[in-house]
Amino acid sequence: SQQGEEDPQALSIQEGENATMNCSYKTSINNLQWYRQNSGRGLVHLILIRSNEREKHSGRLRVTLDTSKKSSSLLITASRAADTASYFCATDAEGETSGSRLTFGEGTQLTVNP
Amino acid sequence: DTGVSQDPRHKITKRGQNVTFRCDPISEHNRLYWYRQTLGQGPEFLTYFQNEAQLEKSRLLSDRFSAERPKGSFSTLEIQRTEQGDSAMYLCASSSYGEQYFGPGTRLTVT
Repeated sequence: SQQGEEDPQALSIQEGENATMNCSYKTSINNLQWYRQNSGRGLVHLILIRSNEREKHSGRLRVTLDTSKKSSSLLITASRAADTASYFCATDAEGETSGSRLTFGEGTQLTVNP
Repeated sequence: DTGVSQDPRHKITKRGQNVTFRCDPISEHNRLYWYRQTLGQGPEFLTYFQNEAQLEKSRLLSDRFSAERPKGSFSTLEIQRTEQGDSAMYLCASSSYGEQYFGPGTRLTVT
């Protein structure tokens, strides 16, 4: 079963705008990870944030984590057409052996229009 | 290219046939995972190995599914007596700790 929900399910923006995607989850976690998937292809790891971290940056990506609300957000700044993809959050649940299964949300489909 | 390879990339089979998929992880990774993804959904966990030991199996993994990692390197996932509901993308991932690196997937179509 899916751990969490992503919001929105679909997002369409213009090149150069920022894109924000949200993820909520249900159980306590060791870490939360964001992945990108281009149509019909494998997943690419973007960023991992641990449960004791609140914010993390990587290039044009900014991830926040609020464990009290069991939620995370992914911000992509200055978006490009090449950012068009599905974005998934995935959680590594606390209480499980760290590094065991990931539980994915249903994803946000981002379209960046040139 | 993440360094995880899967073979074949596409498989079309008739209902009732057996199929086997292979995954070659990043060589220094001791953990290997299998997930299944259907259209419009996120991946769902099937099973994972640490070295050659299979440590966890999902309830999704019915008796018709079996996975092996005989020498702690590559892994195979076999589906026996395939059903149309098995049509999906089968993803393999590997890790040493934390981040999981995914292969390109094997797309299975059962006709």
